[in-house]
This record gives sequence, C-alpha cells and structure tokens, in this order.
Amino acid sequence: QKEVEQNSGPLSVPEGAIASLNCTYSDRGSQSFFWYRQYSGKSPELIMFIYSNGDKEDGRFTAQLNKASQYVSLLIRDSQPSNSATYLCAVNGVSGNQFYFGTGTSLTVIP
Amino acid sequence: DVKVTQSSRYLVKRTGEKVFLECVQDMDHENMFWYRQDPGLGLRLIYFSYDVKMKEKGDIPEGYSVSREKKERFSLILESASTNQTSMYLCASSSLQGRIREKLFFGSGTQLSVL
Repeated sequence: QKEVEQNSGPLSVPEGAIASLNCTYSDRGSQSFFWYRQYSGKSPELIMFIYSNGDKEDGRFTAQLNKASQYVSLLIRDSQPSNSATYLCAVNGVSGNQFYFGTGTSLTVIP
Repeated sequence: DVKVTQSSRYLVKRTGEKVFLECVQDMDHENMFWYRQDPGLGLRLIYFSYDVKMKEKGDIPEGYSVSREKKERFSLILESASTNQTSMYLCASSSLQGRIREKLFFGSGTQLSVL
C-alpha cells in the first residue's frame, strides 16, 4: 500500500473556477501535511502546510485536513492559467525525518 | 529564505563514468535528502542524512552512494553511471527543530542524462 495517494489526473478546470485536489495517506500517526507545486522542468515549491484538523487559508489557496478520514485536500479558488502545474501532496512520517510524496496531480486551467 | 543550491542544472555523462552531484544549503539544516524523479513514478528517496557523516538508505539506494563531510553539503555519487540512472535529481533539506513540523525545501534540480 502506498503511503500517499493522489489522483494523477489530468484535472482541467476553466479559468475562474475552483480546482479541488485530493490526497489520502496511510500512516495514521502522521502529523504534518504539505502541498507542493511543480512546474514542468522545475523543482517542487512549497505552497501550503497544515498540521491541525480543519481548514487553512492563504490567499486563493485553502488546505483542508481530516485526520479521522486520513484525507488532505487543496482548493484553489478563482483558478488562473498560471496555476497550471503538477501538485504534490506530502506527509511527514511519525519519525519526523521522512517525507512521503504522492505521485502528483496535473492541473490545467483553461483560459 | 532557505536556499538549497545544486551545482549543475543539466549534466550529460557516459555509461560507466563516476558522477558527482553536489548540494549545498545555507540554513544550517540538520537533514538533507536526495530524491530522483521520473515520469509516472513520482519522487523516490535515494539517501538521506540527519547529521554530518551520518547517512541512511532510502527506497532506491542501489547504484548510489553519498557523502556528508560538512553540515551544509551533501553529495550524491553514481559510482558507475548507467542509462537507467537518467533522471531528474533533487536535493532537499529540512530542520530538526520542532521535530514534527519540519518543512522540506528543494534545490532547483539536476537533469542527468547518461548516454
């Protein structure tokens, strides 16, 4: 069983719509959860992190965490073509030293 | 801002060559990591180090070795490069402070082609 699972997509949304990206994880003891954005040919860039159940908002981005369901999501409101990228979900393992990544969801925002 | 610097953005090597990939971070982070990223396979951990001269194998250490002689520098070594090691190599670092709340920061990556 994979540690972190994401729908690989591709996910296409029209400009201005809400993009919803989802991630599940297997280690119930995980404490820290991250979303990275990766443009083609570039390295991953940290855009959101969340530690507690509930929602965390930063501009047009909202991260949602439900530890009981072992589920993390990223919402992008008013999506823009510049948001087109691959989004990686990552989870910090119980030991604190290991990060587990999903394979990423490819998002395309259509003008 | 955290800065993780990888010495080369693109590298072309021949089969059988010994290859060194260098990574330097400027935030006094304890942990450093080497990943490779391939289409459809995501990020796979090769090795990580949580202290100078300390190293731990990741998921795919075969064909690789690492060196960490100084806290800020973590090197990945391909002893005898093979074509199946053609990949994007990503170095990353994180702090041990607040153990469960570390963030991982990546370098810009090295696209290695082995011919």
